[in-house]
Amino acid sequence: AQTVTQSQPEMSVQEAETVTLSCTYDTSESDYYLFWYKQPPSRQMILVIRQEAYKQQNATENRFSVNFQKAAKSFSLKISDSQLGDAAMYFCASSDSNYQLIWGAGTKLIIKP
Amino acid sequence: EPEVTQTPSHQVTQMGQEVILRCVPISNHLYFYWYRQILGQKVEFLVSFYNNEISEKSEIFDDQFSVERPDGSNFTLKIRSTKLEDSAMYFCASTRADSYEQYFGPGTRLTVT
Repeated sequence: AQTVTQSQPEMSVQEAETVTLSCTYDTSESDYYLFWYKQPPSRQMILVIRQEAYKQQNATENRFSVNFQKAAKSFSLKISDSQLGDAAMYFCASSDSNYQLIWGAGTKLIIKP
Repeated sequence: EPEVTQTPSHQVTQMGQEVILRCVPISNHLYFYWYRQILGQKVEFLVSFYNNEISEKSEIFDDQFSVERPDGSNFTLKIRSTKLEDSAMYFCASTRADSYEQYFGPGTRLTVT
């Protein structure tokens, strides 16, 4: 069975600084996708970034980028130039061949003004 | 931009009552999902639905749960006899046939008293 682990229950960063959120996963699938979702206090689940496992190039979306280390089964999220609006719970998730998402426990990101 | 909608946003019910949570997926999407998130815990997969039948379900999705696509737009989750431990945020998601990317609704907060 797939598992996703987020070892940081909470992280804090100064506004405008860079922060990296960690995620490791375990899967026997050869084809899978990895995602980072943001959940603000409204509890809406918002897709931040996704990575196809077959792609070596790390995905980037504006201030958000990932460091995908396939051999190490690591998928960290880097947020550059942190903004107050980035404060939220961040969930790492993987998608298997059955399309269901397996979720990590989440990391609460605090932005210090 | 098309989005997944869910109603109601908050449902309060008494233990033992039946509830129906409603979702309207994005119109050209073919795969539908329900997830739940108990407060403070990780998101859990409940069920996936394709071509008018369940394609995958988790251990959580027991006989108390059922899903239905009664017409061309709605996708419902029914809990027959609610228990206190069913209190959670329930998310509906949908995806196109050619994509792993799931689009989430805003969620329904279910409170069982």
